[in-house]
Amino acid sequence: SQKIEQNSEALNIQEGKTATLTCNYTNYSPAYLQWYRQDPGRGPVFLLLIRENEKEKRKERLKVTFDTTLKQSLFHITASQPADSATYLCALEKGGSTLGRLYFGRGTQLTVWP
Amino acid sequence: EPEVTQTPSHQVTQMGQEVILRCVPISNHLYFYWYRQILGQKVEFLVSFYNNEISEKSEIFDDQFSVERPDGSNFTLKIRSTKLEDSAMYFCASSVQETQYFGPGTRLLVL
Repeated sequence: SQKIEQNSEALNIQEGKTATLTCNYTNYSPAYLQWYRQDPGRGPVFLLLIRENEKEKRKERLKVTFDTTLKQSLFHITASQPADSATYLCALEKGGSTLGRLYFGRGTQLTVWP
Repeated sequence: EPEVTQTPSHQVTQMGQEVILRCVPISNHLYFYWYRQILGQKVEFLVSFYNNEISEKSEIFDDQFSVERPDGSNFTLKIRSTKLEDSAMYFCASSVQETQYFGPGTRLLVL
């Protein structure tokens, strides 16, 4: 089955800096990869999706890259703010005839301090 | 903005009892999912549902679990005889394409 590793359980950075989170996966290459934000006791909230034929995607202060050779995605938050503090989840889907099963990583808990 | 809603937000039950978790997906979505998250662990896929039938289910989704879309709006997960290890947050999600939108979850505690 697919194995997904997110670089660390916790990342602490100062406000204004860029946070970089890593997601590595094994086995097959996914059709696309998604990043979600999860706050304590809440459901995952979709942030960005990147497809296997895309190298980079941006949305406001967020940027995600996808390297299918390295089997890695990087998620960047620029000009980070304390409100960005949350757990960020990497998720991928195998693709195929039926949209479905997302495999999630354990997440990286980001803390942005003033 | 449309949202996935789930009820109840919390459920406490005795081991061996049946529970039904309810979800209202986003109205124009076609694909529906259940996931669970045991405290401190990753989000795990349970089942996907499309065109009134199960598309895929995980190894967790055994005979104790069932899903139903009883009408045009609700999507339910039933656990027939709950076990202690079923204690978790249960998330419903829906999608029209690749992006899955999650509900706020139901926290299930089995005593």
